Amino acid sequence: NAGVTQTPKFRVLKTGQSMTLLCAQDMNHEYMYWYRQDPGMGLRLIHYSVGEGTTAKGEVPDGYNVSRLKKQNFLLGLESAAPSQTSVYFCASSYVRLAGLLSYEQYFGPGTRLTVT
Amino acid sequence: GDSVTQMEGPVTLSEEACLTINCTYTATGYPSLFWYVQYPGEGLQLLLKATKADDKGSNKGFEATYRKETTSFHLEKGSVQVSDSAVYFCALSDDNNDMRFGAGTRLTVKP
Repeated sequence: NAGVTQTPKFRVLKTGQSMTLLCAQDMNHEYMYWYRQDPGMGLRLIHYSVGEGTTAKGEVPDGYNVSRLKKQNFLLGLESAAPSQTSVYFCASSYVRLAGLLSYEQYFGPGTRLTVT
Repeated sequence: GDSVTQMEGPVTLSEEACLTINCTYTATGYPSLFWYVQYPGEGLQLLLKATKADDKGSNKGFEATYRKETTSFHLEKGSVQVSDSAVYFCALSDDNNDMRFGAGTRLTVKP
């Protein structure tokens, strides 16, 4: 099992450029998430998905779009990059939480370091 | 909304010293609580968890007890090693769609 993988590992963009970050998981998890990590702020949720074909906004969704066309993949897009989007991006996945059952932990990818100049 | 507050770092200790990283939470329901660890250049890994009051999570010599009366989940280790140097995140989840993380505490252990 590779777990959660992210592509690319590093990227430098100029303001206004676009790009897509790819997340893939081989654990058959229903839920997938995109976070950004900034110094002193922990992780903040950008978007998440509770299943193939569904997405929802998290805490900081502005400037990002996502798609979940296949269960194992979750894509994060930046249509017009801004310096404020310089960050480390983490993808995570988890099992579905059935009603009345306990929350499950999330499994994280290694991260993508994005710099926007 | 739900939130987590953890002790600010950085924390620097000598090898074999005792470690405590404080974590308190605010939640409307009965969340599950987690400690994640992030080693340099890597993603977060689950270190331990507790799902109800008075539960103790433990792993790799680390422990944390879910204290509902003080809304706390402090991370402890009796004797740290250089290999424990990392960033530690406290987190809660009241709904698996909504994991809330603390800001992280950087630990450096010196030989």
